[in-house]
Amino acid sequence: SQTIHQWPATLVQPVGSPLSLECTVEGTSNPNLYWYRQAAGRGLQLLFYSVGIGQISSEVPQNLSASRPQDRQFILSSKKLLLSDSGFYLCAWSAGTGGGIQYFGAGTRLSVL
Amino acid sequence: AQSVTQLDSQVPVFEEAPVELRCNYSSSVSVYLFWYVQYPNQGLQLLLKYLSGSTLVKGINGFEAEFNKSQTSFHLRKPSVHISDTAEYFCAVSRDSGGSNYKLTFGKGTLLTVNP
Repeated sequence: SQTIHQWPATLVQPVGSPLSLECTVEGTSNPNLYWYRQAAGRGLQLLFYSVGIGQISSEVPQNLSASRPQDRQFILSSKKLLLSDSGFYLCAWSAGTGGGIQYFGAGTRLSVL
Repeated sequence: AQSVTQLDSQVPVFEEAPVELRCNYSSSVSVYLFWYVQYPNQGLQLLLKYLSGSTLVKGINGFEAEFNKSQTSFHLRKPSVHISDTAEYFCAVSRDSGGSNYKLTFGKGTLLTVNP
């Protein structure tokens, strides 16, 4: 069966520090991968998605970037965090079939102070 | 482009009462519809999905939803809720593009609070 791992679970970082969040999927190949941010009361905002190694699509301009160095690895990064980057970050994967069902990781709570 | 509207941001109910969480969507093409549940500080878990066939869809934890194409709705229902159903619920839609589906459009969520 497929599983998705996301870490760390929580992270407290000072403003201006770098960020690296990692997400890996097991049990499937060539998944579509997604990064979302969830701010309180604002639902889910799609940040990036990837349909293959090295292929990244950005949904909104921001202080973040994403990379996919391996088929089942998706990384969210920032060179210098802003206060507004605080939130709950979710990684998800999809097989691209079944209507596009996405399966989510447990999330990372990021607090930028 | 499609959009999803969850009509209630918060729904408080008493334990063992029935509940309906409302979801409407707009799209110019055929869609697939989903409900997800999110417990505090956790990721989203798929509750149920409508891809095709019967418009009444049953999911986990006793939830069901009915796809109504004429009213462009996909309301979620449960006849008797438990304290453990307290969570945020998200409706989502994807477009039938005839190929690999890449993106879901989510509603802003409905916080269901079940009180004793």
